Amino acid sequence: NAGVTQTPKFRILKIGQSMTLQCTQDMNHNYMYWYRQDPGMGLKLIYYSVGAGITDKGEVPNGYNVSRSTTEDFPLRLELAAPSQTSVYFCASSYSRTGAGNTIYFGEGSWLTVV
Amino acid sequence: QKEVEQNSGPLSVPEGAIASLNCTYSDRVSQSFFWYRQYSGKSPELIMSIYSNGDKEDGRFTAQLNKASQYVSLLIRDSQPSDSATYLCAVITGANNLFFGTGTRLTVIP
Repeated sequence: NAGVTQTPKFRILKIGQSMTLQCTQDMNHNYMYWYRQDPGMGLKLIYYSVGAGITDKGEVPNGYNVSRSTTEDFPLRLELAAPSQTSVYFCASSYSRTGAGNTIYFGEGSWLTVV
Repeated sequence: QKEVEQNSGPLSVPEGAIASLNCTYSDRVSQSFFWYRQYSGKSPELIMSIYSNGDKEDGRFTAQLNKASQYVSLLIRDSQPSDSATYLCAVITGANNLFFGTGTRLTVIP
């Protein structure tokens, strides 16, 4: 019963380094999302995808890139890490955006610190 | 104006009391509303969704929606210490974008 799996769970990056957060889901969901959550704050949408080959920017896309080559995978790339990217990152998926299938399922989160 | 607003709390209630959590939203044509619970260090989990005006009950939880007032609330009856968490309100706007509030931290005191 995997659901949404994201790795790594914890990572410390130095300023200017790059890394990729991996995300995979086994529910055959069309929609996938990347959110970040800063301490004491709500979730901010970074990027989302409505299907393989299609991605779009959310509220806070600067400094990130994504790709969606398969239905299952939606990696998030951080280029030139900055301290402002220190956050908890959640990958999520849903069957649809509206209606009964719009329940969003979250991964367990990735804690990223940029020093 | 933020798309979704919540009081950050903390809200403290004694065990067995009713906890009332409130949320307002700015987009009048929003159609879908959700309450997520997030324990410290964990990911959000969906506890209620509501789409029509009125009340929706699920066990000890009741979601209330008033579209005219652009207001959605969550009532937790017979609050338990295990209900202590941050509760996030989320709204799908008319443009099909999902926005989260900053969350209300609830503490249930034994």
